[in-house]
Amino acid sequence: QKEVEQDPGPLSVPEGAIVSLNCTYSNSAFQYFMWYRQYSRKGPELLMYTYSSGNKEDGRFTAQVDKSSKYISLFIRDSQPSDSATYLCAMSRPFGNEKLTFGTGTRLTIIP
Amino acid sequence: GAVVSQHPSWVICKSGTSVKIECRSLDFQATTMFWYRQFPKQSLMLMATSNEGSKATYEQGVEKDKFLINHASLTLSTLTVTSAHPEDSSFYICSAPDRTEYGYTFGSGTRLTVV
Repeated sequence: QKEVEQDPGPLSVPEGAIVSLNCTYSNSAFQYFMWYRQYSRKGPELLMYTYSSGNKEDGRFTAQVDKSSKYISLFIRDSQPSDSATYLCAMSRPFGNEKLTFGTGTRLTIIP
Repeated sequence: GAVVSQHPSWVICKSGTSVKIECRSLDFQATTMFWYRQFPKQSLMLMATSNEGSKATYEQGVEKDKFLINHASLTLSTLTVTSAHPEDSSFYICSAPDRTEYGYTFGSGTRLTVV
């Protein structure tokens, strides 16, 4: 079993729709949870991060963490064509300079 | 913000030759650098972790003699793919903790094609 599971998609939604991306994990030691966006042939860029359980909102993006269920989500409101990319969840233990464990990534396409 | 400059962005080499990939932290000191490999439509797989002034730590299944990592300074880490073969063709990405709101800054990646 992989430490982090993520539906690879692809996922296509019309512009303006709400997008829900999810990951599950098995390692209860993970405390930091991140979402990265990766455009084709580029390095990932950090979208959001959360520590432990709870919600965090930043503009059109909301990240949720449910540690009891080992489940994290990223919601994108009012989706735009420019949101089309691969979204990777990542997580790590709460120590300095810890390595990140990534999900497989979900390829998202927003249809104008 | 923190920037990691990765070069080259793409390289094509012949089988049997060696290729060096550089990652430089431009405005912060990277005591640690993570090296990832990403195959098409797959996630980032950690290959090794380098720490300035010490030997790199390799993940299980990664050949140390094939993927040479050097982290000689606080701003430069290099990955050398030795005696490259077509199966080494992949997207290689470096990343360093940048100490900004628990951030890891990623390089822009290097697409290696071995022919």
